[in-house]
Amino acid sequence: GQNIDQPTEMTATEGAIVQINCTYQTSGFNGLFWYQQHAGEAPTFLSYNVLDGLEEKGRFSSFLSRSKGYSYLLLKELQMKDSASYLCAVRRSNYQLIWGAGTKLIIKP
Amino acid sequence: GAVVSQHPSRVICKSGTSVKIECRSLDFQATTMFWYRQFPKQSLMLMATSNEGSKATYEQGVEKDKFLINHASLTLSTLTVTSAHPEDSSFYICSAGPSHERVDQPQHFGDGTRLSIL
Repeated sequence: GQNIDQPTEMTATEGAIVQINCTYQTSGFNGLFWYQQHAGEAPTFLSYNVLDGLEEKGRFSSFLSRSKGYSYLLLKELQMKDSASYLCAVRRSNYQLIWGAGTKLIIKP
Repeated sequence: GAVVSQHPSRVICKSGTSVKIECRSLDFQATTMFWYRQFPKQSLMLMATSNEGSKATYEQGVEKDKFLINHASLTLSTLTVTSAHPEDSSFYICSAGPSHERVDQPQHFGDGTRLSIL
């Protein structure tokens, strides 16, 4: 079956680094996405990985290991505005996204 | 700028009213659009996949007669919530993409429609 797991909630300190993990079991892998969603708003795209390795984009980086069914999102130099839910999603061959339940990230001063 | 436009952003109406939500892809032709629903503090739930020129594919448990989807062109899909009731109150979000020309592009989301049925 299709399954995506990520932690429900994480807490980190402003200025620090946090890593949000995502493990998946899906059929027909066609890329993994990370989205950020603030409360009451639609998700916004953060990163996309289709090949193994690390993709860096400013303060955010995303890693993928297809053989392990594993990804992580790394957030550096945390800011208060980074408090949000972070959604991991796997795209299947038919372009349908399978979504994780999201990780609520709480940033403390 | 936004690549997917969703309208309206908020609807408040009486029980029994039908509500239409529009989703437009602005910068590309989207043969496939997706409709999601999200209840407070819950994850996105895919309702249906909208395919241009053909019938939508609904997820299990989603009533196709209740949630009418029309994808008449490569840039527009509509979701109509028919005879809405308070339990239909939710945050409805559409997404589009990728285009067949750029399959490495992600799905982009509209800003969502917050539907409140009194």
